[in-house]
Amino acid sequence: DVVMTQSPLALPVTLGQPASLSCRSSQSLLSSDGNTYLHWFQQRPGQPPRRLISRVSNRDSGVPDRFSGTGSGTDFTLKISSVEAEDAATYYCMQGRHWPYTFGQGTKVEIK
Amino acid sequence: EVQLVESGGGLVQPGGSLRLSCAASGFTFSDSWMFWVRQAPGKGLEWVAFIKYDGGDKNYVDSVKGRFTISRDNTKNSLYLQMNSLRIEDTAIYYCVGGQGAVWGQGTTVTVSS
Repeated sequence: DVVMTQSPLALPVTLGQPASLSCRSSQSLLSSDGNTYLHWFQQRPGQPPRRLISRVSNRDSGVPDRFSGTGSGTDFTLKISSVEAEDAATYYCMQGRHWPYTFGQGTKVEIK
Repeated sequence: EVQLVESGGGLVQPGGSLRLSCAASGFTFSDSWMFWVRQAPGKGLEWVAFIKYDGGDKNYVDSVKGRFTISRDNTKNSLYLQMNSLRIEDTAIYYCVGGQGAVWGQGTTVTVSS
């Protein structure tokens, strides 16, 4: 199975400051159709995950533009340009290239 | 409004069975690949099974192969997960998911315990 490794596992951030979350995959996520199937999710306590970013860099509908995704191949980053209180959550990267799809272990963003 | 609503969870003894259901609305269910994803208490997320939009392709994570069966009824906009020979480690919230995580239900809780 493809192993997704996220870092850091916990990230304390000051309101208004940027945050950068890293995700690495054990195999390339680039498909023959030209898409890279790496997605980012946000999960708040007691709620299901919500997809923020699909295929590396495409924000889902309603996602604030302070969230952005970059990367290629096996190395990916989610950035929050200016953290707000509502961004306190656990963030997961996920690969949808190889079955079984797999998630990273999550990065918990905490507000200082 | 796009919506997925799961049902069928509960408490079951090891070795028992449950059938989860998921009712879809607000999107073209018959065009959508569908998945079940689970989350054990305090743990991360695990993709359990998928089914192609027409039911013609299915697959499972190794830990449930031979015990779980995914199915769908496009005439009823519904997805199912038949879970047999349940184990304690199957205890989790089970989410119905559309596409590669585009749409999620609120989840239904399965507890396997004696």
